[in-house]
Parts: sequence; structure tokens; C-alpha cells
Amino acid sequence: SQKIEQNSEALNIQEGKTATLTCNYTNYSPAYLQWYRQDPGRGPVFLLLIRENEKEKRKERLKVTFDTTLKQSLFHITASQPADSATYLCALKYSSASKIIFGSGTRLSIRP
Amino acid sequence: GAVVSQHPSWVICKSGTSVKIECRSLDFQATTMFWYRQFPKQSLMLMATSNEGSKATYEQGVEKDKFLINHASLTLSTLTVTSAHPEDSSFYICSAGPETGKGETQYFGPGTRLLVL
Repeated sequence: SQKIEQNSEALNIQEGKTATLTCNYTNYSPAYLQWYRQDPGRGPVFLLLIRENEKEKRKERLKVTFDTTLKQSLFHITASQPADSATYLCALKYSSASKIIFGSGTRLSIRP
Repeated sequence: GAVVSQHPSWVICKSGTSVKIECRSLDFQATTMFWYRQFPKQSLMLMATSNEGSKATYEQGVEKDKFLINHASLTLSTLTVTSAHPEDSSFYICSAGPETGKGETQYFGPGTRLLVL
């Protein structure tokens, strides 16, 4: 069965630095790979979606890469701020009609 | 952006009672809605996929008679936890989408925290 690994349960970095989160998966590549932010006691908030045929996507201070050879996605937050502290979830979707499969998340803490 | 609401946001009930949670897409129509459960410090686990006007599809290990799902309209799905027990205490989250012709994004509700005493 498909496995998704976000290989840092927690990441603690200094404000202003770039945070890089990793998502690895097994088996075949999804059609869509998504990143969500989740704050404690709240539902996930969609951040970025990258398609199988795309290498990189950017949105303001966020950047996502998708390497189907390595079966890996990297999620970057540049010029990180304490307000970026949250849990970030990687999610795979294999077709437009299929369910989303979530990774276990990385809890990011940005210290002032 | 698309907004999904859930009601109630939290509920405390006695063991053996049934609890209904509503999920609404406020500004778009959702043919498909999803129900997830999340235990503390764990990721979201899909419970079932709900399609408007048809029976829900449950994930393996999820009891369909215990977690009743109704998706009567394109903007409303309900999850009823029947005869709730303390082990059903969890954070229940719904999502809706994608919007027809508007990409692949699912939009999540704020979640409902259930505590069964």
C-alpha cells in the first residue's frame, strides 16, 4: 500500500531562515501533491498543489518542488516568521476523483 | 475562497447517545464530501467518501452502521456517531470539493471535537 513519510516529526528553526520540509512516498507517483497547514484544534488549510508534470510551484514565500524520480516533494518557507509555526501536512491525490492520502505532518516551530 | 463550515464545533455527550455533525459548503456546490477523524498528534484518517444522492463509501475498518453519513444536497453532509463510546472521542473534520471545473482542491471545515464521557 502507498506510504507517505514526512521524515521530520518536528522542526525548529530561527526566524528569518528558510524552513525546508520533506515528503517522501512509495509506489507510483500521484497526479497531484498538496501541502496543507494545520493549526492546533483547526482543520487543514490548503496552501499549494503541484501536478505530476510540474517541477516547482511558488506562492509568495512558499515554494514546492516535486521530483517523481526521487518520489519526493520539498516544501520551503523563506524568510520564516513565528506566525509560520504550525503543522504542515503533505497529501497525495491520484486522480481528480480520488481521495486524499495525508502524511503524518511536520510540526514547525519558528523561534524569534 | 471556498468556505466549509461544521456544526457544532465541539460536543460533549454521555456514552450511548448519538451525535450528529453537519458539514456545509457555504459558497459552492460539492458533489463529493469527505469525513476524516484525527486523534491527538496524528494525521487525518479518511473515514468515508460521501457523494450527493448516493450511499457513502467507507474506508476499511470504519463501521458504516456506527458512523452514518447522509449527503442529501450539494451543500450539506451529515455524520451521525451512533451509540457513542469514549473511544469515539476524537476530532472530526469534513472536506468538500473540488468545485466543478475549478481545480483539484478540497476545502476543509474547522473540525468538530467530540468528547464522550
